[in-house]
Amino acid sequence: NAGVTQTPKFQVLKTGQSMTLQCAQDMNHNSMYWYRQDPGMGLRLIYYSASEGTTDKGEVPNGYNVSRLNKREFSLRLESAAPSQTSVYFCASSEENQGRDQPQHFGDGTRLSIL
Amino acid sequence: RKEVEQDPGPFNVPEGATVAFNCTYSNSASQSFFWYRQDCRKEPKLLMSVYSSGNEDGRFTAQLNRASQYISLLIRDSKLSDSATYLCVVNRLRDTGRRALTFGSGTRLQVQP
Repeated sequence: NAGVTQTPKFQVLKTGQSMTLQCAQDMNHNSMYWYRQDPGMGLRLIYYSASEGTTDKGEVPNGYNVSRLNKREFSLRLESAAPSQTSVYFCASSEENQGRDQPQHFGDGTRLSIL
Repeated sequence: RKEVEQDPGPFNVPEGATVAFNCTYSNSASQSFFWYRQDCRKEPKLLMSVYSSGNEDGRFTAQLNRASQYISLLIRDSKLSDSATYLCVVNRLRDTGRRALTFGSGTRLQVQP
């Protein structure tokens, strides 16, 4: 019973490099999310996908792109990494919103350092 | 004003104590409220939803005060294993017309033996 799986768990990049963070869920959830968490700050929404084939910007989308590959998978791409993107990244999923927000289930995070 | 505000703590309490956290929110139209727990360097995990009439789950009690726009979490008979950061989560309406959840920065609880 995996839930939400993120890869990789850790990554170190040089400024300007690109990479893709992978996320997959096996709970048949329609909605998926990408957050970043920085020390002393709450989780901030980067992008989300309400359903397969749709994506929307969150609070802090600049410097990121996403792809909702299918219902299970939602990837986050950094095209040209910057030190300000050093953070812990969490992927989450939730059931379809039927007039009421549903709690989100989180993966165990990707710790990304950009030098 | 932040959308969701929490006292960062830390709250240092002895085992067996009762401790309460409050969380204030700015959007009076918010409809969904949750408490999450996050252990150090781990992912957030849902602790409980917060319902209008208040709700209890074992040693944990959550309450909502719409008039004053805050939610609270009460932990009775604190255990060492309750040591964690507690995140307050509130929904809001985005510019797109879709709802999204806003996470507070969290309140850290340290239960001492």
